[in-house]
Amino acid sequence: SQQGEEDPQALSIQEGENATMNCSYKTSINNLQWYRQNSGRGLVHLILIRSNEREKHSGRLRVTLDTSKKSSSLLITASRAADTASYFCAPDFSGNTPLVFGKGTRLSVIA
Amino acid sequence: EAGVTQSPTHLIKTRGQQATLRCSPISGHTSVYWYQQALGLGLQFLLWYDEGEERNRGNFPPRFSGRQFPNYSSELNVNALELEDSALYLCASRPRGSYNSPLHFGNGTRLTVT
Repeated sequence: SQQGEEDPQALSIQEGENATMNCSYKTSINNLQWYRQNSGRGLVHLILIRSNEREKHSGRLRVTLDTSKKSSSLLITASRAADTASYFCAPDFSGNTPLVFGKGTRLSVIA
Repeated sequence: EAGVTQSPTHLIKTRGQQATLRCSPISGHTSVYWYQQALGLGLQFLLWYDEGEERNRGNFPPRFSGRQFPNYSSELNVNALELEDSALYLCASRPRGSYNSPLHFGNGTRLTVT
């Protein structure tokens, strides 16, 4: 399978806490992308990290990539109730294959 | 810029009927992707169109088909509907040749088969 596998499947935290989600994949990638999906809506792109990058930041989001371990993590700092959503990783393997998504991590942020 | 638009937002069909779902990509985007998201499952890749041609197809039966028009909009057709086809169908687009770039998603068509 060329999809990423997110872990944990579900995560519940209090507002203000940090949330960490992990992604593992199996073959070499060009880049890895993280997306968010609010209930019943389309996915929204969060961050793209290239295979030669190790860390990337966007606002309260921090993504790391370890190509030797074939894994990535998404950290959301100082979480808010509005961060409640499902989060998906999508390893991008080549230009000839479509992005394939796993089942995601369901994050619940409790106010 | 206008985002990816999908129509209809909701569609209710009876088992055995046919459903047609439509997608308009962002202006300038030539690649269109279709995904199925059934309850409790992740996104399942269905079809990928680029410049009017089918580039890749997911593990779905032939009754799932589609096409891309000269203006790069796309249609997904599902024939002989089955109850398990009930799902959120998402369309996404991205520019020509920019494979290392994000997908832009529409908000989907919710298909209910009764």
